[in-house]
Amino acid sequence: EAQVTQNPRYLITVTGKKLTVTCSQNMNHEYMSWYRQDPGLGLRQIYYSMNVEVTDKGDVPEGYKVSRKEKRNFPLILESPSPNQTSLYFCASSLGNRGNTEAFFGQGTRLTVV
Amino acid sequence: GENVEQHPSTLSVQEGDSAVIKCTYSDSASNYFPWYKQELGKRPQLIIDIRSNVGEKKDQRIAVTLNKTAKHFSLHITETQPEDSAVYFCAASTIYNQGGKLIFGQGTELSVKP
Repeated sequence: EAQVTQNPRYLITVTGKKLTVTCSQNMNHEYMSWYRQDPGLGLRQIYYSMNVEVTDKGDVPEGYKVSRKEKRNFPLILESPSPNQTSLYFCASSLGNRGNTEAFFGQGTRLTVV
Repeated sequence: GENVEQHPSTLSVQEGDSAVIKCTYSDSASNYFPWYKQELGKRPQLIIDIRSNVGEKKDQRIAVTLNKTAKHFSLHITETQPEDSAVYFCAASTIYNQGGKLIFGQGTELSVKP
């Protein structure tokens, strides 16, 4: 089954404790991205990747890192999480490398930083 | 920066009525306009999309119209049903640095009352 898989689904952590949210897709998609969803703000892009070893900042990259060592995986790293990073996070992938084709979303990760 | 404005933020209709959600975008080079539906607790999923070389597209009870001159596009849902209740997001593609990305609107919470 074609899918985007994120882990974990839920995470509660403390300020400053490094964490990684994993994302994997099995559709051989070029483009992958991370979004955060906050009430009233819609989906805001954090980082995106057009292909292996090619990543770039989105609209809200501060406090986040990503890597794309393999085509299927695109982990999101929070080196020193802060309470303002409490949010619902979605990973997405799409076939085209410009983000202008259908995006397939993962199940979401609800992160709480206390 | 580029942005997408979406209205209204909430919409309540009676079952069987029509619902219209409107979006405006700022980047005249945008060429892809998808609409996503997010049911409570679930991931966003594409319901319909349109490209800039088309003015209107229909899929059963759902239609999208695009006015490139005015830089706005709309989602029309006819004969609404309770299962149409969800949050709807519009988006517009934009070229960004060496790649591209989707800019999402703030979302519309649609409630269809039986």
